[in-house]
Parts: sequence; structure tokens; C-alpha cells
Amino acid sequence: SAVISQKPSRDICQRGTSLTIQCQVDSQVTMMFWYRQQPGQSLTLIATANQGSEATYESGFVIDKFPISRPNLTFSTLTVSNMSPEDSSIYLCSGRSGTNEKLFFGSGTQLSVL
Amino acid sequence: DAKTTQPNSMESNEEEPVHLPCNHSTISGTDYIHWYRQLPSQGPEYVIHGLTSNVNNRMASLAIAEDRKSSTLILHRATLRDAAVYYCILRGLGGSNYKLTFGKGTLLTVNP
Repeated sequence: SAVISQKPSRDICQRGTSLTIQCQVDSQVTMMFWYRQQPGQSLTLIATANQGSEATYESGFVIDKFPISRPNLTFSTLTVSNMSPEDSSIYLCSGRSGTNEKLFFGSGTQLSVL
Repeated sequence: DAKTTQPNSMESNEEEPVHLPCNHSTISGTDYIHWYRQLPSQGPEYVIHGLTSNVNNRMASLAIAEDRKSSTLILHRATLRDAAVYYCILRGLGGSNYKLTFGKGTLLTVNP
């Protein structure tokens, strides 16, 4: 099983600032995804991080607000830009190895925006 | 994406079996049935998946109805560590379009 590490694990930020979350996988994965989990809610898919090309965003999420990079098969970043209190959530990175059906998740980044 | 329906919450006693139901009446013939669980303050964890036949692994069993319109996740002996939100998810085979859409899930409480 792949192990996914996220940094930071939590942060408190001021509105209007940006935060970049890093996701490191201990082995190569074919697909990486970013999810958001708002307080008391289920997970919502933000985007699929594509290696070497622009991420594929889900409806309601845009690149200007959530720029994503994926320079190689083991690393991705998600930036939450121009933050507001409504961005306070847990952000989760996940990965899929090969054609395996399993999806692995990091433990998430708890973001609070004041 | 085909939708799933799960009870909001269920309760069980420790060391007893737990049957977590999931309805997916609009499932298509190529949809995989996935189950994940999320323990408090952790990311989701894969539990099991299946297509048509029942599946067993070290964590749980997945029983799939013959018409595939419902499935049941079976925890054979619940422990306090099994208290979590359990998500039933359909994963469609759309070319390279692999993605998992999480619903609200079932909050499982395990009583000592």
C-alpha cells in the first residue's frame, strides 16, 4: 500500500493570504486527486492532478482559486489562494497505483481561516 | 454518476456482526462497488470493493445482491476501532475517467 504524507497537517491563516499544501507519496502513483471536506460534511472532489499538465477541475472549482501542480509521479501541491473563512476545511490528497481499484488517502490538512 | 443511499447512522455492540446496507438501484453493469471508512480525524481508508460476486478480505465481507441494486458491508466482529463513517461508492468505468464521488455515508457507533 502506498503511504501519502501531507504537509502541513494543520494551519491557521489570515484572510486574503494563500497556503500551499504538499502531498508526497512513497511510491509512484498513476493518478492523484485533491478533496475538500468541510466541517461535518463528506468529501468533495476538487480536481485530478495530472502529471506535467493542467489539473482537471470539478464543477465549482477553478484554477485561479485552487492552483495545482504535479511535477512527477510522487508529488503534488494544492494552493488555496486569497483565502476566506469559507475555505476553512480539511484538504485531502489521494492517489491510485496503476490500475488498482484502491484509492489511498493522506491524513489531511486542517485549514482554519480567520 | 449513479447514486447510493445509506442510512445516516447505525449502532452496534462490540464483538457482534454489523451489516451496513447500501442501495444503488441505478447501478450500471460496469460500475464497481467501493466501500471506504473514515475514522475520526483521519483520511478515508479503503475497505473493500466488488463488481458482481461477493468478496472477502481481512477487514470485511461484501455481499452484492443478485440484481446488483444493493450491497451490504459485513464486519464480522465489531470492535471499538471500527467506529467510523462508512461510505458506499460506485465507480464507473468511463475510459480513463477514474474518480470516486463520496456521499454522506453511515456513521457507525460501536458500544462496549
